[in-house]
Amino acid sequence: GAVVSQHPSWVICKSGTSVKIECRSLDFQATTMFWYRQFPKQSLMLMATSNEGSKATYEQGVEKDKFLINHASLTLSTLTVTSAHPEDSSFYICSARDPGVNSPLHFGNGTRLTVT
Amino acid sequence: GQQVMQIPQYQHVQEGEDFTTYCNSSTTLSNIQWYKQRPGGHPVFLIQLVKSGEVKKQKRLTFQFGEAKKNSSLHITATQTTDVGTYFCAGYLNTGTASKLTFGTGTRLQVTL
Repeated sequence: GAVVSQHPSWVICKSGTSVKIECRSLDFQATTMFWYRQFPKQSLMLMATSNEGSKATYEQGVEKDKFLINHASLTLSTLTVTSAHPEDSSFYICSARDPGVNSPLHFGNGTRLTVT
Repeated sequence: GQQVMQIPQYQHVQEGEDFTTYCNSSTTLSNIQWYKQRPGGHPVFLIQLVKSGEVKKQKRLTFQFGEAKKNSSLHITATQTTDVGTYFCAGYLNTGTASKLTFGTGTRLQVTL
């Protein structure tokens, strides 16, 4: 089945610094990838849809200047958390979809971000 | 607010007991998907239901999609410790021009011996 690789799996950074998270589709091409955020014991909240070769589509309430998304190739999307603050600490998970309308998602292993 | 709700939020059972989680959407869904997330892990796709009233089985797991395509359930027979995790339903909500996969609130299952 489709494999999505996410890196790093965890990161600790100081307040004010930026962190980049990579999401790769290993055995298929993904024109669209999805970035989710999950707080402890809560559900997954869609942050943005990453579109290869064009601008990402952000969900309401998600700051596009804070969460920069780049989808430069059919196998790589990156999320950069800029000027991170402790409230940005969370579990960030990327995913890609099987070809076809309304198909299932395959998730990366997630990145646990801790901002001190 | 959250448009796909699940109950219960948490359930603790003894191994061998049955377990059911219910998923309810405020709007009609084109399909319903179920995912399992183990503690510390990422969601893993279990199954997709498309047709109204559809029932599917995977070993001890039984999935149902409601007639109105607004609710679903997951039933586990004779739970095992390997069933521990959070179970999420997810559905595509048609909002404007884009269909987005919205996850339910999740049900965390704890199984003890």
